[in-house]
Amino acid sequence: QSVLTQPPSVSAAPGQKVTISCSGSDSNIGSNFVSWYLQLPGTAPQLLIYDNNKRPSGIPDRFSGSKSGTSATLGITGLQTGDEGDYYCGTWDTSLSAGTWVFGGGTKLTVL
Amino acid sequence: EVQLVESGGGLVQPGRSLRLSCAASGFTFDDYAMHWVRQPPGKGLEWVSGISWNSGNIDYADSVRGRFTSSRDNAKYSLYLQMNSLRDEDTALYYCATNIGSPNAFDLWGQGTMVTVSS
Repeated sequence: QSVLTQPPSVSAAPGQKVTISCSGSDSNIGSNFVSWYLQLPGTAPQLLIYDNNKRPSGIPDRFSGSKSGTSATLGITGLQTGDEGDYYCGTWDTSLSAGTWVFGGGTKLTVL
Repeated sequence: EVQLVESGGGLVQPGRSLRLSCAASGFTFDDYAMHWVRQPPGKGLEWVSGISWNSGNIDYADSVRGRFTSSRDNAKYSLYLQMNSLRDEDTALYYCATNIGSPNAFDLWGQGTMVTVSS
């Protein structure tokens, strides 16, 4: 059971838009920055979004992030078959005296 | 080239120990905290441990605290994970990762090393 809750799967047609939600609590999303990762089959995760809504160099602006309260959302526009993979949200959790990092359970994106 | 390369994985019996290594290159290793993240086969990501640049702060997930120990040797640009009292549920692909661009995200990952705990 992951600390952060994501839908197990989402799907959409090529060229369409999809959003992936990530729900947490005051001790994690509510008080810390959120990041998003894409894991293509057989590869290590790659960073898509950091600090809630910033894109690293090389990540196209089709990918966007937002945060409101204890929830965050990843948006992907102009879907491509190459976007298929597993998407994870992550953030610090400071519910204990020592902070720990937590991930969502992951969302599998299928581009129909 | 900026990269992380893990090694040391393998097949080990329950209750035994294993030590993972992560070799860093292409960036100033001792400027950054380092982390271990694992992924059981077919499942999601789980943060295991993080260690600050000078080893002054080391944190662990509840699932491994007391059994796993993170350490680093800045002179050798290396990160280590000593895993003791291994259990079946420790079977996973172990990644090392760091946050160069932002302290709030992992922007550099290794390719992972597989640990299988089985009798």
